[in-house]
Amino acid sequence: DAGVIQSPRHEVTEMGQEVTLRCKPISGHDYLFWYRQTMMRGLELLIYFNNNVPIDDSGMPEDRFSAKMPNASFSTLKIQPSEPRDSAVYFCASSLLYSNQPQHFGDGTRLSIL
Amino acid sequence: GENVEQHPSTLSVQEGDSAVIKCTYSDSASNYFPWYKQELGKRPQLIIDIRSNVGEKKDQRIAVTLNKTAKHFSLHITETQPEDSAVYFCAAEEAGFQKLVFGTGTRLLVSP
Repeated sequence: DAGVIQSPRHEVTEMGQEVTLRCKPISGHDYLFWYRQTMMRGLELLIYFNNNVPIDDSGMPEDRFSAKMPNASFSTLKIQPSEPRDSAVYFCASSLLYSNQPQHFGDGTRLSIL
Repeated sequence: GENVEQHPSTLSVQEGDSAVIKCTYSDSASNYFPWYKQELGKRPQLIIDIRSNVGEKKDQRIAVTLNKTAKHFSLHITETQPEDSAVYFCAAEEAGFQKLVFGTGTRLLVSP
């Protein structure tokens, strides 16, 4: 079991640039979640997908953020244009279809916007 | 929607002591409550979870208790060790959805 795989692990870029974060969920998992973690706001759910369809994107901070899941094994979170306040650790997690199932987190992407 | 509160925000204990972290939730329909441990610079990792059809669950030095009437659940760590030092998050699954609502975390420090 390879677990949830995220890339890149670290990203440093200048404000205004486009940032793309990638996630490969655990094979067979139907749900995929994107979180953002900061000291100030803790662990925030940004958006989640069920069978590649976005279910709830109410946590996406603003139109600069977008997420896609073109197939069952790949998802992206894009920020365009990026701002310094977007600096955070972004986690992807996945879980099975049924309720009462744990979410398994990837190692995260540490994003720094200069 | 669901709301989860977690206390304390920091907890310092001596090695060998017990540690207890408490969480309350707002939605009585919630029935799944996982706990995650996050070491510095690492991902949150599931350490134990409990479903509403049981009141207590144990796994070696870790136990979780659930009181559905009072809408609270707790994590108990016995015989703490320095490697237990981490941030612990409780969560509740929002009823009818598949998403978790997380508490704000407890930083546990175990001193040798």
